[in-house]
Amino acid sequence: KNEVEQSPQNLTAQEGEFITINCSYSVGISALHWLQQHPGGGIVSLFMLSSGKKKHGRLIATINIQEKHSSLHITASHPRDSAVYICAAHSGGGADGLTFGKGTHLIIQP
Amino acid sequence: KAGVTQTPRYLIKTRGQQVTLSCSPISGHRSVSWYQQTPGQGLQFLFEYFSETQRNKGNFPGRFSGRQFSNSRSEMNVSTLELGDSALYLCASSLGSAEQYFGPGTRLTVT
Repeated sequence: KNEVEQSPQNLTAQEGEFITINCSYSVGISALHWLQQHPGGGIVSLFMLSSGKKKHGRLIATINIQEKHSSLHITASHPRDSAVYICAAHSGGGADGLTFGKGTHLIIQP
Repeated sequence: KAGVTQTPRYLIKTRGQQVTLSCSPISGHRSVSWYQQTPGQGLQFLFEYFSETQRNKGNFPGRFSGRQFSNSRSEMNVSTLELGDSALYLCASSLGSAEQYFGPGTRLTVT
């Protein structure tokens, strides 16, 4: 069974700061997902990646398969980025579906 | 393209009752997964259906069941409700093993 750990659990930063959220997993995966959840519950899938790096706007996700580690970066952070960010590992081919981290609660202050 | 829809959005039930939740995936998506989110346990995988067949199942008791219809719509059922079943239930659809698109969730309260 895959174990997914996220850090930090909580992060408060000032508008404009560069944000990094980390995710590590214990077992090899077929894909890693980064999700964003706003108050009220709605979840948006930000990235799905299995190698390398992806970029979308101010968001960048990287993954190091050998080290079993992924990072989500937010450049020029804005108060609207305030949300819970969750990483989820997909082992693939097994019976576990997605295994989720506990989430990082991010607050960007103006 | 319409997103994933879930009904109902909110539900209050009493212990011992059963409940059925519905999920309509994005048109063309054949995979539907269900998740439970609670403050204590976070997000947990319940099960995944693909072309009417359960493809994966999480570690939940048999009171939790689901099915998928030929039009890819899915339902999940929880029987003999317990207080601990109070949670946000999310479904997500995808084309297969690709990126998942989440619905708004059904918030179930068991009293």
